[in-house]
Amino acid sequence: GDSVTQMEGPVTLSEEAFLTINCTYTATGYPSLFWYVQYPGEGLQLLLKATKADDKGSNKGFEATYRKETTSFHLEKGSVQVSDSAVYFCAQRPAGGGADGLTFGKGTHLIIQP
Amino acid sequence: GAVVSQHPSWVICKSGTSVKIECRSLDFQATTMFWYRQFPKQSLMLMATSNEGSKATYEQGVEKDKFLINHASLTLSTLTVTSAHPEDSSFYICSASLAGGETQYFGPGTRLLVL
Repeated sequence: GDSVTQMEGPVTLSEEAFLTINCTYTATGYPSLFWYVQYPGEGLQLLLKATKADDKGSNKGFEATYRKETTSFHLEKGSVQVSDSAVYFCAQRPAGGGADGLTFGKGTHLIIQP
Repeated sequence: GAVVSQHPSWVICKSGTSVKIECRSLDFQATTMFWYRQFPKQSLMLMATSNEGSKATYEQGVEKDKFLINHASLTLSTLTVTSAHPEDSSFYICSASLAGGETQYFGPGTRLLVL
């Protein structure tokens, strides 16, 4: 079945460091791909998404590119801030449109130290 | 905009009792709402999809008689855990989407502890 695998955390970085959180997926067809972020005490928020191969999603300095050939959607940011500390979830939704539930990875806890 | 609330945020109950969790879209009408369950250090697992005015669609392995879902209006869906047992203790999260919308807006979750 469909699945999402992302790197285990916690990931601890210093402020202004470069961030990569790996995410790969298995799916039938070409799903839509998402990164959600959960700040402490809050619900999941959509960070960025991509709906087809080679699309790049970006928001708040974060980027991820939909790589069909490697079935990946790695999250990157050039210079992280303390305020980026949160749990990040990679997710997919089946291709074909309509309202379908998401398949999530386990989440990666990111800790940014000043 | 696109705020989803859940109530209660946490609940403790005795084994054998039923617990109702509400999910509300506060500033939009949600044609579809989803219910997820999250165990510690695990991913969110989709339990069911509910569309306003129709029966919920449950994922494989989820007992529909155990987890009753009602989506009576475009702004409210409820999940009732019937005859709860300690193994039902978990974090339950709902999300809502607009008609034809791809983006899901998530509630803050409800932590259930069954003693």
